[in-house]
Amino acid sequence: SQTIHQWPATLVQPVGSPLSLECTVEGTSNPNLYWYRQAAGRGLQLLFYSVGIGQISSEVPQNLSASRPQDRQFILSSKKLLLSDSGFYLCAWSPGTGGRSYTFGSGTRLTVV
Amino acid sequence: AQSVTQLGSHVSVSEGALVLLRCNYSSSVPPYLFWYVQYPNQGLQLLLKYTSAATLVKGINGFEAEFKKSETSFHLTKPSAHMSDAAEYFCAVSGTGGGNKLTFGTGTQLKVEL
Repeated sequence: SQTIHQWPATLVQPVGSPLSLECTVEGTSNPNLYWYRQAAGRGLQLLFYSVGIGQISSEVPQNLSASRPQDRQFILSSKKLLLSDSGFYLCAWSPGTGGRSYTFGSGTRLTVV
Repeated sequence: AQSVTQLGSHVSVSEGALVLLRCNYSSSVPPYLFWYVQYPNQGLQLLLKYTSAATLVKGINGFEAEFKKSETSFHLTKPSAHMSDAAEYFCAVSGTGGGNKLTFGTGTQLKVEL
């Protein structure tokens, strides 16, 4: 069966520090991968998605970047965090062909102080 | 662009009462529609999805939703609320572009009272 792993679960980082959140998927190949951010009362905002290795699409201009170095690995990064980067970050995957349901990771609570 | 609107950011029901969470969509093409549930500090879990096979969709935990094209709605219902149903619920619609992107509503927090 397919599983998705996301870590860390919680993170407290000072302003100006770097960020690296990692997401991996097991049990499938060539998945679509997604990073969402969730802020209170604002639903989920799609940050990045990827349909293949090295293929990254950015949905909103921001202080973050994403990379997909391997087929089932998706990384969210920042060189210098801002206070506004605080939030709940969710990784998700969906089949690369057909099927449209997402499977979500358990999320990372990021607090920038 | 496709979008969904969830009416009511907070809904409160008594245990055993009907649950009705509203979702209206906007789409220029036949949509795929979804309901997800999120418990505190967890990821989202798929409740059910509409993929044009049947207008009444049954999901997990006793939830169901009916696709009504004339009303552009996909409301989520459950006949009898249970305390364990207290969570945040998100409606979502799939995009038309590449990447199978989902657009989510702003969510409805369901509270179940004794």
